[in-house]
Amino acid sequence: DAGVIQSPRHEVTEMGQEVTLRCKPISGHNSLFWYRQTMMRGLELLIYFNNNVPIDDSGMPEDRFSAKMPNASFSTLKIQPSEPRDSAVYFCASSLEGSAFFGQGTRLTVV
Amino acid sequence: QQQVKQSPQSLIVQKGGISIINCAYENTAFDYFPWYQQFPGKGPALLIAIRPDVSEKKEGRFTISFNKSAKQFSLHIMDSQPGDSATYFCAASNRGGGADGLTFGKGTHLIIQP
Repeated sequence: DAGVIQSPRHEVTEMGQEVTLRCKPISGHNSLFWYRQTMMRGLELLIYFNNNVPIDDSGMPEDRFSAKMPNASFSTLKIQPSEPRDSAVYFCASSLEGSAFFGQGTRLTVV
Repeated sequence: QQQVKQSPQSLIVQKGGISIINCAYENTAFDYFPWYQQFPGKGPALLIAIRPDVSEKKEGRFTISFNKSAKQFSLHIMDSQPGDSATYFCAASNRGGGADGLTFGKGTHLIIQP
């Protein structure tokens, strides 16, 4: 199994631009999570899906953030418009009734 | 409110020594306590986990000690090796082990000196 696959690995964008992060979970996993990691705040859960349905999005910081999971093998996290304070590493993780398996992350830099 | 407090923030241990990382939690409903290991440029990876019905779990050189009454748990790395140098996160969940309830500690940056 290739594990959780995220793209891109690195993203540099200008403030105000739209950013889309992509995730392919492990085949057969029914839960998908988006996390944000910063030095100051550590690992924060942004949103999670179960069977493609958003269950808890209370961690999404603002309306600028949105996430979708159109099918069991794909999810996106979109930031529009992006701001410098959104700079962080964004992780996608998936699970099947157990602990989460993380992707390698997308390092986002908003300048 | 920080539900899982992890210490120390950073730790330097000599090769062959014992590394100890501690976590304390507040929510008595937590019933699953995993530890994750993260190398630079990688995502966190599950290392070892414990449930509160046991006081200790050992997997190779890694041991979790759990004190339910004190609401504390710790990770011990025996015979620490330079390859163990990484950031370690404790976590806790109250969803029967489901990842949707995971709350993470802030992490410990561990350096093993050769």
